[in-house]
Amino acid sequence: GENVEQHPSTLSVQEGDSAVIKCTYSDSASNYFPWYKQELGKRPQLIIDIRSNVGEKKDQRIAVTLNKTAKHFSLHITETQPEDSAVYFCAASGYSTLTFGKGTMLLVSP
Amino acid sequence: GAGVSQSPSNKVTEKGKDVELRCDPISGHTALYWYRQSLGQGLEFLIYFQGNSAPDKSGLPSDRFSAERTGGSVSTLTIQRTQQEDSAVYLCASSQDAPGYTFGSGTRLTVV
Repeated sequence: GENVEQHPSTLSVQEGDSAVIKCTYSDSASNYFPWYKQELGKRPQLIIDIRSNVGEKKDQRIAVTLNKTAKHFSLHITETQPEDSAVYFCAASGYSTLTFGKGTMLLVSP
Repeated sequence: GAGVSQSPSNKVTEKGKDVELRCDPISGHTALYWYRQSLGQGLEFLIYFQGNSAPDKSGLPSDRFSAERTGGSVSTLTIQRTQQEDSAVYLCASSQDAPGYTFGSGTRLTVV
């Protein structure tokens, strides 16, 4: 089955800096790669996703890049703000269920 | 409904008791998923329902865990003879076009 590795497990940045979270996956058949943000005590919420026919996708301060050859994808957050502090999960899927990474705790200090 | 609804939000139970967790997906969503999130851990897949197809139970950790989905809508996850290691947040998600999930708020299960 699919295996998703996520790094780093924790990331501390200063407000205004950029943050990058990286994931690798094992199943070359996977074609959908979402990112979820989970604030403390709340449900995971989809923030951005990318499909395998696209190499990059941007939405305001967040972007995701995908390298299918290397089987890795990354989340980029620019101009970080304290409200970006949360746990971020990457995931990969072929046709049905999502396999999640173990999460990255992002702390943005004012 | 407007979102995925789970109940109860919190459940404390004694070791050895059975518990039932409920999930009410977004109306019209054909796919329903259960995941488990232990403290500081990622999201562990448990079971997946798609329409009238047989569920994918490959993630259930033991035969103490079971789930059903009635009428293609509400789902119940049952844990029999609960153990302390079952303590976790149980998350339900639904989707219309797999696999873009919308999660519920979860049920926090504590086994004492």
